[in-house]
Amino acid sequence: GAGVSQSPRYKVTKRGQDVALRCDPISGHVSLYWYRQALGQGPEFLTYFNYEAQQDKSGLPNDRFSAERPEGSISTLTIQRTEQRDSAMYRCASSLGAGRGNTIYFGEGSWLTVV
Amino acid sequence: AQKITQTQPGMFVQEKEAVTLDCTYDTSDQSYGLFWYKQPSSGEMIFLIYQGSYDEQNATEGRYSLNFQKARKSANLVISASQLGDSAMYFCAMREGGNAGNMLTFGGGTRLMVKP
Repeated sequence: GAGVSQSPRYKVTKRGQDVALRCDPISGHVSLYWYRQALGQGPEFLTYFNYEAQQDKSGLPNDRFSAERPEGSISTLTIQRTEQRDSAMYRCASSLGAGRGNTIYFGEGSWLTVV
Repeated sequence: AQKITQTQPGMFVQEKEAVTLDCTYDTSDQSYGLFWYKQPSSGEMIFLIYQGSYDEQNATEGRYSLNFQKARKSANLVISASQLGDSAMYFCAMREGGNAGNMLTFGGGTRLMVKP
């Protein structure tokens, strides 16, 4: 696609429910990243993939959070048993390669509100 | 220690004037990249400009330029001839390492407001 596409754009869920956020990266992009951004703050790294391999998940806050990219393209970030503190914007990003000079392009984000 | 520090939470600039947004970084790597992103009120994260640690020239992209001072570990963004549409949050970010595929680390951002 032309850009990084995320869905849903907005999600309101009740505490305790599971949510799945989807990311479709730019076509041909090898690296895919998930970030979380609270209002008024910079994005915080959650996890990233090269192709289908999850390279780093050090930013996932706890074991309720997981991500997969089974075919090296679309990725899903899943939050189980959501809590109010999980409310934030979740951003997906992709880059052509893993080198430091490769620009990381962001999607428009998925706003999650846990009530 | 913070890896990326943006010391200006908010700034005003008069339309058509130039403005500098500060960014300092901390890394022990010799190879790294520095990025600036713009986040308007719509929430998008728009890539503006990139500077590699080995680049000798300061990066420029249209009205954006990056004042890279390696010894001081600063990578300030300069916006010339400010426009009303430049009002947004601006984030400085760093990507460390060679081909390790490391993630971007972001600063806390600077909110720029352009006055007509």
